[in-house]
Amino acid sequence: SQTIHQWPATLVQPVGSPLSLECTVEGTSNPNLYWYRQAAGRGLQLLFYSVGIGQISSEVPQNLSASRPQDRQFILSSKKLLLSDSGFYLCAWSVEGHRGQPQHFGDGTRLSIL
Amino acid sequence: AQSVTQLDSQVPVFEEAPVELRCNYSSSVSVYLFWYVQYPNQGLQLLLKYLSGSTLVKGINGFEAEFNKSQTSFHLRKPSVHISDTAEYFCAVRFSSNTGKLIFGQGTTLQVKP
Repeated sequence: SQTIHQWPATLVQPVGSPLSLECTVEGTSNPNLYWYRQAAGRGLQLLFYSVGIGQISSEVPQNLSASRPQDRQFILSSKKLLLSDSGFYLCAWSVEGHRGQPQHFGDGTRLSIL
Repeated sequence: AQSVTQLDSQVPVFEEAPVELRCNYSSSVSVYLFWYVQYPNQGLQLLLKYLSGSTLVKGINGFEAEFNKSQTSFHLRKPSVHISDTAEYFCAVRFSSNTGKLIFGQGTTLQVKP
């Protein structure tokens, strides 16, 4: 069966520090991959999605970047964190090419910027 | 523009009472519809999905939803709620595309009281 892993679960970082969040998927090939941010008391904002290795689409201009160095690995990064980067970050995957398939979510990373 | 609206930000209800969480979307193309549940500090879990066929779909934990094309709605219902149903519920719509992107509503907090 397919599983998705995100780490770390929680992270506290000072303003101006770098960031690297990792997401990996097991049990499937060539998935579509997504990074979302969920601010406190708000809905989900799609940050990036990827349909293949090295293919990254950015949904909103921001301080973050994403990379997909391997088929089932998706990394969210920042060179210098801002206070506004605080939030709950969720990674998700879906089956490539199947329009009706849902997205499956990881357990998320709670990022607090001090 | 394509959008998803969850009409209630919070829904308080007593245990064993019925509940309906409302979701409307705007689209001129075919859609696929999903409901997700999020418990505190966790990722999103798929409750149910509508792809095609019968407009009444049943999901996990006793939830069901009805797709109404003329009203562009996909309301979530449960005939008798439990304390454990207290959570955030998200409606999501996938418009006809190849990327698998979902548009989420802002979420509805279901508060089940004893």
